Amino acid sequence: TQLLEQSPQFLSIQEGENLTVYCNSSSVFSSLQWYRQEPGEGPVLLVTVVTGGEVKKLKRLTFQFGDARKDSSLHITAAQPGDTGLYLCAQGGDYKLSFGAGTTVTVRA
Amino acid sequence: SQTIHQWPATLVQPVGSPLSLECTVEGTSNPNLYWYRQAAGRGLQLLFYSVGIGQISSEVPQNLSASRPQDRQFILSSKKLLLSDSGFYLCAWSVRGGGYEQFFGPGTRLTVL
Repeated sequence: TQLLEQSPQFLSIQEGENLTVYCNSSSVFSSLQWYRQEPGEGPVLLVTVVTGGEVKKLKRLTFQFGDARKDSSLHITAAQPGDTGLYLCAQGGDYKLSFGAGTTVTVRA
Repeated sequence: SQTIHQWPATLVQPVGSPLSLECTVEGTSNPNLYWYRQAAGRGLQLLFYSVGIGQISSEVPQNLSASRPQDRQFILSSKKLLLSDSGFYLCAWSVRGGGYEQFFGPGTRLTVL
């Protein structure tokens, strides 16, 4: 089972600031998903990246897949309190997903 | 559109009591189905997955079992709960033969006292 490492574990910023969270593996990803989970709810899929070097944008969120397909990052521009949540990356294979431990992001108003 | 339901939303049970959590999916056929457990503020641990009726794969040896009596129904059970079974339980589905994206239910918060 591929081990995904996410960093930082916790991140607290002021509204309007930018932030970046990271997801890394020692092995090559076939594909990678990012999810956001709010307290007491199930995770919600944000994006899937497949191709090395791929960049996807979702409003103020920018997702990047490393050229070697062993790392990914999520960048949020001008963070808002609604961006608060647990951000999880996951890698798929053999019908299953392996999840990282997540980054807890808190955006203070 | 597809929807996924879980119930109950919260559950408080004594140690040694049985457990049954239910998950149903609407708007799709032949989904892959999954049960996860999540510790507070942390990642998801895959417990069971199923690629078809009656087909269950267990990821972690434990006090729990899963069944899939119908195509879009997935049940998580225990005969005798332990304190360590407390947690947030999530059901998810994905398209059979599709990508690996999974879609999650709202979860069940289980507290074993």
